[in-house]
Amino acid sequence: GESVGLHLPTLSVQEGDNSIINCAYSNSASDYFIWYKQESGKGPQFIIDIRSNMDKRQGQRVTVLLNKTVKHLSLQIAATQPGDSAVYFCAEILDWEYGNKLVFGAGTILRVKS
Amino acid sequence: EAQVTQNPRYLITVTGKKLTVTCSQNMNHEYMSWYRQDPGLGLRQIYYSMNVEVTDKGDVPEGYKVSRKEKRNFPLILESPSPNQTSLYFCASSLRLASAQYFGPGTRLTVL
Repeated sequence: GESVGLHLPTLSVQEGDNSIINCAYSNSASDYFIWYKQESGKGPQFIIDIRSNMDKRQGQRVTVLLNKTVKHLSLQIAATQPGDSAVYFCAEILDWEYGNKLVFGAGTILRVKS
Repeated sequence: EAQVTQNPRYLITVTGKKLTVTCSQNMNHEYMSWYRQDPGLGLRQIYYSMNVEVTDKGDVPEGYKVSRKEKRNFPLILESPSPNQTSLYFCASSLRLASAQYFGPGTRLTVL
């Protein structure tokens, strides 16, 4: 299908290595953040979320880190597998004062080499 | 199974012919939203709804309409489609704004 990943940054990792995908967000007032994974031909799939009162949250093989000082999010994937190959988006929630919306980052392509 | 469904999945139409893309969720979610996804531009919000009968514009609302008469349904209406509305469209829902949004499978629309 048509690529949604045109001109996106790409991270290539070897199967079994750890991956770190970074995201800068725009609004210091944002208090909720989500990471999504989008495989080719599918809709974005929720991976993990974090609220602004936390610095770190862990899921199954994934960890999200939040640095509010520099408005930076990262997603760490442990022991990356071929099935992890996808486009990864971060998203921030802007509340009623900023329009009640979810704003997505541009995305990063993760390619896992076997 | 908890899910967001969209119909149709693929649609080719001509300029000016009104169309509706349906979206339905079975999770009793309050918040629903429509996005379009274009290469190089990412996901952009078209319209959203905080609850029944409450809708508002997102970042790219021009040329689109929505309605939220029932909690589960949030159709996207293109009254007079134009070629610049050729895109991949996603509907999403969440329990409330500040909670994880679940996306439908997408509708690929081509306007000739």
